[in-house]
Amino acid sequence: SQQGEEDPQALSIQEGENATMNCSYKTSINNLQWYRQNSGRGLVHLILIRSNEREKHSGRLRVTLDTSKKSSSLLITASRAADTASYFCATAQSGNTPLVFGKGTRLSVIA
Amino acid sequence: NAGVTQTPKFQVLKTGQSMTLQCAQDMNHEYMSWYRQDPGMGLRLIHYSVGAGITDQGEVPNGYNVSRSTTEDFPLRLLSAAPSQTSVYFCASSVTGTETQYFGPGTRLLVL
Repeated sequence: SQQGEEDPQALSIQEGENATMNCSYKTSINNLQWYRQNSGRGLVHLILIRSNEREKHSGRLRVTLDTSKKSSSLLITASRAADTASYFCATAQSGNTPLVFGKGTRLSVIA
Repeated sequence: NAGVTQTPKFQVLKTGQSMTLQCAQDMNHEYMSWYRQDPGMGLRLIHYSVGAGITDQGEVPNGYNVSRSTTEDFPLRLLSAAPSQTSVYFCASSVTGTETQYFGPGTRLLVL
């Protein structure tokens, strides 16, 4: 069963605009991770935010985590055509239990 | 480092045939897993392993077998292929199940 659920399912923006994707989950987590998948490729890890963290940055990426609302958001600033991809959130619980992935947000950045 | 490698990249099978999807990693990761990805379904976990000799079932294990005889390799066996197993298969490895996962490039499987 899928724990994380991304919103929106698809997003289309102009180059230079910011893109925001949201992820909601149901149970308590150890951490939440965001991955990117370019068409026809494997997933690439973007950022991991732990349950005791509220915000994390990596380059043009900003991730927030609100454990009280069981939600996270991924912000991509000043988007580029190369950011066109699917973005997945994945939640990690405790111990060695596997990550559970959402269905993803398809981002299209139009030049 | 090659990271996570998967072979073959693409395979066509007939219903009832068997095959093994290979996955290898050179990062000395204890944790390895197999996912399948279908349109609109995201990634679904098939099987995973927390170390050599230890495997466990994921969300959709039926029709698949795994074994983990070494740290490096985690092959996925399709016992009797069915059209419902047409999908893209990804292998991933990590230090633990809750940390960053490193994915292979995928195997695209078509069962006729």
